[in-house]
Amino acid sequence: SQTIHQWPATLVQPVGSPLSLECTVEGTSNPNLYWYRQAAGRGLQLLFYSVGIGQISSEVPQNLSASRPQDRQFILSSKKLLLSDSGFYLCARTASGRPGELFFGEGSRLTVL
Amino acid sequence: AQSVTQLDSQVPVFEEAPVELRCNYSSSVSVYLFWYVQYPNQGLQLLLKYLSGSTLVKGIKGFEAEFNKSQTSFHLRKPSVHISDTAEYFCAVSHTSNTGNQFYFGTGTSLTVIP
Repeated sequence: SQTIHQWPATLVQPVGSPLSLECTVEGTSNPNLYWYRQAAGRGLQLLFYSVGIGQISSEVPQNLSASRPQDRQFILSSKKLLLSDSGFYLCARTASGRPGELFFGEGSRLTVL
Repeated sequence: AQSVTQLDSQVPVFEEAPVELRCNYSSSVSVYLFWYVQYPNQGLQLLLKYLSGSTLVKGIKGFEAEFNKSQTSFHLRKPSVHISDTAEYFCAVSHTSNTGNQFYFGTGTSLTVIP
């Protein structure tokens, strides 16, 4: 199983508040992990990816950050949310034996008011 | 650099009619090609993928796609759509670099099947 758990599923936060979205994965060890954001009516924007514990690469400068404290845990954070941070956040992983394929979680919907 | 272009943002089609969703890509390296489907408020699910070999790829739910290297296209087709095919469809490319697998998605095509 390449199950991905995302928590929370939905979140409503005021502008300026902190954020923590959690993603935990099952299945093969040492997967590549990804955070994508999907704004309303738009495609997927890659935010961060990680090839191992403590290794984070950022694709787009923003007020978000990511951390990978354990092999199967990937966390998306912010110290102060902006209105533009609203969107649908998807965690994804690769799996050995499935070249080039991504497995997605069910997503976390964030609304910043 | 890699990029993916989905030429149609919205495609309405009548039930049982055929459909083609277009995808073009650009890449300076060899890539894998994918189509994903997303139902409302859910994550993405793989429909089909092209890694190598036969350029005609068959996937789940009766979908197929054809890789055309000269036209750098990977169009998705289904001969007869069903109401349940109403969803968002994403074309994607990936390649492997020394920093891991890189994935690039198109902006998506919203398919609406009309009864």
